[in-house]
Formats: sequence, C-alpha cells, structure tokens
Amino acid sequence: GAVVSQHPSWVICKSGTSVKIECRSLDFQATTMFWYRQFPKQSLMLMATSNEGSKATYEQGVEKDKFLINHASLTLSTLTVTSAHPEDSSFYICSARGILGANEKLFFGSGTQLSVL
Amino acid sequence: DAKTTQPNSMESNEEEPVHLPCNHSTISGTDYIHWYRQLPSQGPEYVIHGLTSNVNNRMASLAIAEDRKSSTLILHRATLRDAAVYYCILRAHNNDMRFGAGTRLTVKP
Repeated sequence: GAVVSQHPSWVICKSGTSVKIECRSLDFQATTMFWYRQFPKQSLMLMATSNEGSKATYEQGVEKDKFLINHASLTLSTLTVTSAHPEDSSFYICSARGILGANEKLFFGSGTQLSVL
Repeated sequence: DAKTTQPNSMESNEEEPVHLPCNHSTISGTDYIHWYRQLPSQGPEYVIHGLTSNVNNRMASLAIAEDRKSSTLILHRATLRDAAVYYCILRAHNNDMRFGAGTRLTVKP
C-alpha cells in the first residue's frame, strides 16, 4: 500500500530555533497534504491544508508566519516551526491524498514529536 | 462540517467481537464515512470506509444504517494489538478531514 514517510520522528531543540519537518509520499503523487498537531491525550487538530504549487490554507488560530508550509512537489511537503517556544512542543502529523477525492483513504506519516527546551 | 459522535471509551475481551458505534445525523448525501485508528505515539492508520453499503476488509467490517445517520465498526475478534483510539470521520467533497475525540478501545486479555 501507499506509504507516507515523515522525518524526523522526534526532535529536541532550544527555544528560539527553527525546526523543519518533512513529509514524503513514497509511491504516489500527493496533490494535497494535511498537517495536524496533537497534544497529549487529545485528538488531532488540523493546522493547514497544502496543495502542490500553491499557498497553504491555514485553519483559524494557526499562525502562518510561525508554521511555514511548503508543498513544492507532488511528493514532498515541509512544515517549518519558526522561532520555536516550549508551547510549540507537540506531536506533529502529516497526511497525504491522491487525486480520487473523498472516496479514497488518507495515508498518514508516523508523526514527529517536537520538544522545545 | 458534519459532526460525528462516538463514546469516549469502550472495553472488550480478547478474541471477542467489538462493535464501535458512531452517530452522524447531519451527514450529507456525498459524505463518505471513514474510520481510522491511532496507536500510541503513531500516526493514524486507515481501517475502512464506505458510502451507503456495508463494507468488509481484512481488518474490519463497516455497517452503515439505511438512513446513513449512524454506522458501526465491527472488529470480529479483538486482539491486544487492536487497543487504540478509533476515529469515525466524514469526508466531504472538499476532502479535508477533521478528527473528533474518538473512542479509546481497551482490550482485556
């Protein structure tokens, strides 16, 4: 089956630094990728939707200047957490879909645990 | 967006069937019903999806009510590895997918 690779699995960084998370679709072209954030014991919260070659659409309350999303190709999307602070510590998950729309399963990355000291 | 309602938690004994309910009374005619599950510290994993007819795959079965306002995910023989949070989600034509709280399934040996 299709696979979405997310890297890194975990990262620890100092407050004020930036962290980049990569999400790759390994055997299909992902026209749309979604980025989620999940705090402990909570559900996934949709942060943004990105379509290849266009600007990402951010959910209300998500700062687009802080969470930079780039979807430059049909197989790669990146999320950069800029000037990270301890409150940005969370589990970040990406997912990708192809061209078939709602009658198609989404594939998820394995997640990235970000810890900001 | 159409919402789903699931019990917060359920328990099952190992090797017994599990029926996980989901209510979606505001579902629209073009919404697909998707189920995903999430094991601790992992990304969600696809389980099954359907539109109107019941669906079976190697992981589970999906029973969809005739009026489509509810559905049930059926695990035929629960194993310890099935312990996870199960999410019932409606996917619309615009294709974004928003998660509710889900049902935390505990499987007892």
